[in-house]
Amino acid sequence: QSALTQPASVSGSPGQSITISCTGTTSDVGGYNYVSWYQQHPGKAPKLMIYDVSNRPSGVSDRFSGSKSGNTASLTISGLQAEDEADYYCASYTSSTTLGVFGTGTKVTVL
Amino acid sequence: EVHLVESGGGLVQPGGSLRLSCGASGFTFNNAWMSWVRQAPGKGLEWVGRIKSKTYDGATDYAAPVKDRFAISRDDSKNTVHLQMNSLKTEDTAVYYCATITWNYRFDYWGQGTLVTVSP
Repeated sequence: QSALTQPASVSGSPGQSITISCTGTTSDVGGYNYVSWYQQHPGKAPKLMIYDVSNRPSGVSDRFSGSKSGNTASLTISGLQAEDEADYYCASYTSSTTLGVFGTGTKVTVL
Repeated sequence: EVHLVESGGGLVQPGGSLRLSCGASGFTFNNAWMSWVRQAPGKGLEWVGRIKSKTYDGATDYAAPVKDRFAISRDDSKNTVHLQMNSLKTEDTAVYYCATITWNYRFDYWGQGTLVTVSP
């Protein structure tokens, strides 16, 4: 099972909006609404930011939003802040294996 | 508050074995599905495996790179999940995280991770 494809890096200035894509196939992202997103700061554990494509867990800022179109899911961060600088990973259910699949990861830099 | 604490990591030679443990608190452990995810130095996240709750069926699933070498078990009386790693390879070097995993593949909570280094 190949990893979902994410851009290696995305950058933006404080206050701007950025979008991170996560591209899969009809066997994973495109076929099911079980896409989640995780934020990981250096040396720290990942943190759930979005689940089931567009749902935010309690306590996660509403500056983070998720969506999906076809085989590509997206994470948008609005009003970019310095604390948003981190690595972001998408994950999805896949019908190809009994386990899910992660994305390749995107490093977000706040300029 | 949910807490997951991994332990048991360290340096091991290729071909050796290691057993990781993950202690849980703050939620009903015996109903929880638990997973192990690893991250090689400077690399992305990778599934290791999952164990469902015994109240469901207690089944385990493993990623292809570790299947037949790694085994996940759980002790609901101690709120602990274990990862037994045998026939370790240098490519198994990574930080190993335990995490709760829901039926819809959502990792709700993560431990802080424990580093496993496989080196001669």
